[in-house]
Amino acid sequence: KAGVTQTPRYLIKTRGQQVTLSCSPISGHRSVSWYQQTPGQGLQFLFEYFSETQRNKGNFPGRFSGRQFSNSRSEMNVSTLELGDSALYLCASSLSLAEETQYFGPGTRLLVL
Amino acid sequence: AQSVSQHNHHVILSEAASLELGCNYSYGGTVNLFWYVQYPGQHLQLLLKYFSGDPLVKGIKGFEAEFIKSKFSFNLRKPSVQWSDTAEYFCAVNELTGGGNKLTFGTGTQLKVEL
Repeated sequence: KAGVTQTPRYLIKTRGQQVTLSCSPISGHRSVSWYQQTPGQGLQFLFEYFSETQRNKGNFPGRFSGRQFSNSRSEMNVSTLELGDSALYLCASSLSLAEETQYFGPGTRLLVL
Repeated sequence: AQSVSQHNHHVILSEAASLELGCNYSYGGTVNLFWYVQYPGQHLQLLLKYFSGDPLVKGIKGFEAEFIKSKFSFNLRKPSVQWSDTAEYFCAVNELTGGGNKLTFGTGTQLKVEL
């Protein structure tokens, strides 16, 4: 089975712009979660989607949003980018919401200038 | 709020030395526990997990971890490390509140194995 895929792998944006990142889960997995990884804050949970609905949300401002499509693919959007949004954004998929193992993608590295 | 502590931030070992990385969590209820590894230039990979049953779990590449409920700990061990074990290791916890798959991660331990 193919693993979790994320596009694009690298992205450079400037402050104030918005960005959309994409994630395709492992085939058959219906839950998709997003995490932000930075040197200062480590790995932090952003949100989880299942059946096109947000099921869990971390402590991030409303500028961070996401959605999930009927084929379980997910996108996350960050509006009005700030320098501090520079990070590696990781997507993880799992079979369901039943508190299972998450498998991570390679991430999208976002640099905000 | 749930927190996960990894007390060793940087560890340097010689090949064949034994490894133990500490992980403690704060949640008093039922949890699922994980160790993930991130090799240089690669994505996070699952090393091992504990859901229930035998508190001593074995993972890939000779790693094992022991869940001690009374100590809220899930320490990672390997009897003899190899140069290829150089990586960053993350402990993660999922509180079983019926709320899905939200992982709380520790800050990570950077392991360097010298030849």
